Amino acid sequence: AQSVTQLDSQVPVFEEAPVELRCNYSSSVSVYLFWYVQYPNQGLQLLLKYLSGSTLVKGINGFEAEFNKSQTSFHLRKPSVHISDTAEYFCAVSDLISDYKLSFGAGTTVTVRA
Amino acid sequence: DAGVIQSPRHEVTEMGQEVTLRCKPISGHNSLFWYRQTMMRGLELLIYFNNNVPIDDSGMPEDRFSAKMPNASFSTLKIQPSEPRDSAVYFCASRVLVGETQYFGPGTRLLVL
Repeated sequence: AQSVTQLDSQVPVFEEAPVELRCNYSSSVSVYLFWYVQYPNQGLQLLLKYLSGSTLVKGINGFEAEFNKSQTSFHLRKPSVHISDTAEYFCAVSDLISDYKLSFGAGTTVTVRA
Repeated sequence: DAGVIQSPRHEVTEMGQEVTLRCKPISGHNSLFWYRQTMMRGLELLIYFNNNVPIDDSGMPEDRFSAKMPNASFSTLKIQPSEPRDSAVYFCASRVLVGETQYFGPGTRLLVL
């Protein structure tokens, strides 16, 4: 079984500043990795995913993440945030066999201030 | 193109009542998922259907919960009888193929008094 740890439960950040959300996972097998965003009172929307290939993954809304196999991490970054990036962000993992079974982290709430 | 549709968006009921949540997946998607989101347990997969067949229901909490998918365009999650600890946001998600992205609906916020 896989598990995900999101190291920060809340991240306050000023508008136009960079942000990094940390995610570590544990698994005994190869994995797929995902970042989802949840805006208030909405469902989850996929930001980006890592399946294979290049370890630097670019997603929507200017987000990117880097897969580091040796450190079992998949940190999410954005160089300059907007007020509209205020949301909850979830890191998730699945294995290649039961790829339907997403295990989610507890979430990181990002609050962007002017 | 409509996304995953869930109804109702909000439901308030009293303990002991039957609750039925509904989901319409994205047209052409072959897989459907029900998730539950609570503060204590986060997001949990309850059940996974592929081509209308339940593949993994190991996340269904107990016999009070049941899910059906009578056709490719409709699924229900039923709780009977409901209890206050069932209060949560229930999400439905669908995807077109194995290995592809899961698309989530807006969720149903359930409050059991």
